Amino acid sequence: DGGITQSPKYLFRKEGQNVTLSCEQNLNHDAMYWYRQDPGQGLRLIYYSQIVNDFQKGDIAEGYSVSREKKESFPLTVTSAQKNPTAFYLCASSTRDSSYGYTFGSGTRLTVV
Amino acid sequence: GENVEQHPSTLSVQEGDSAVIKCTYSDSASNYFPWYKQELGKRPQLIIDIRSNVGEKKDQRIAVTLNKTAKHFSLHITETQPEDSAVYFCAASSGPSNTGKLIFGQGTTLQVKP
Repeated sequence: DGGITQSPKYLFRKEGQNVTLSCEQNLNHDAMYWYRQDPGQGLRLIYYSQIVNDFQKGDIAEGYSVSREKKESFPLTVTSAQKNPTAFYLCASSTRDSSYGYTFGSGTRLTVV
Repeated sequence: GENVEQHPSTLSVQEGDSAVIKCTYSDSASNYFPWYKQELGKRPQLIIDIRSNVGEKKDQRIAVTLNKTAKHFSLHITETQPEDSAVYFCAASSGPSNTGKLIFGQGTTLQVKP
């Protein structure tokens, strides 16, 4: 699936619940990214990581957390502190300098019920 | 900080006409400029890219031009078809001082009317 896999495709969260979105890549990319996309809106950067065991906040990190324990994996946890989590979440990966662009996963659609 | 401005936000054309989307970037160290197409509910996919040592690149009905002096780059789609309807994002690589990640424009929704 383009070398980068997101799961699940659809996710439903109850109020006050933490949920974790999975992102795995087999492209041997150093860098990985999480974006949030609201209907009719652009891509907003949540977190990114350029190397294992290191990650940086993006523009809208509040209410989210990540880990990068393995090069292939970059899971995103949407915590109960995120008050409006309903959105389409996209994971991407690239070489460290992005010189060949990003490869995106197919996305996870998260809905609060 | 680094910024990419994209215009227009929406564009409606008749099938067979041309469409042009323009982007302006702020980081003079940017040297890679990809364009992504995102169909409804799908992932963004790379459709064409250009590097700073080239002024123009063409791939069938799609072309990209780059003016480094003015910090402008544009996507040109000729002979548009209904399947070209999608959201298009431009992006620019950020310089080493900002980790090299891509900075995205806000997106352009292109509608091609049959």
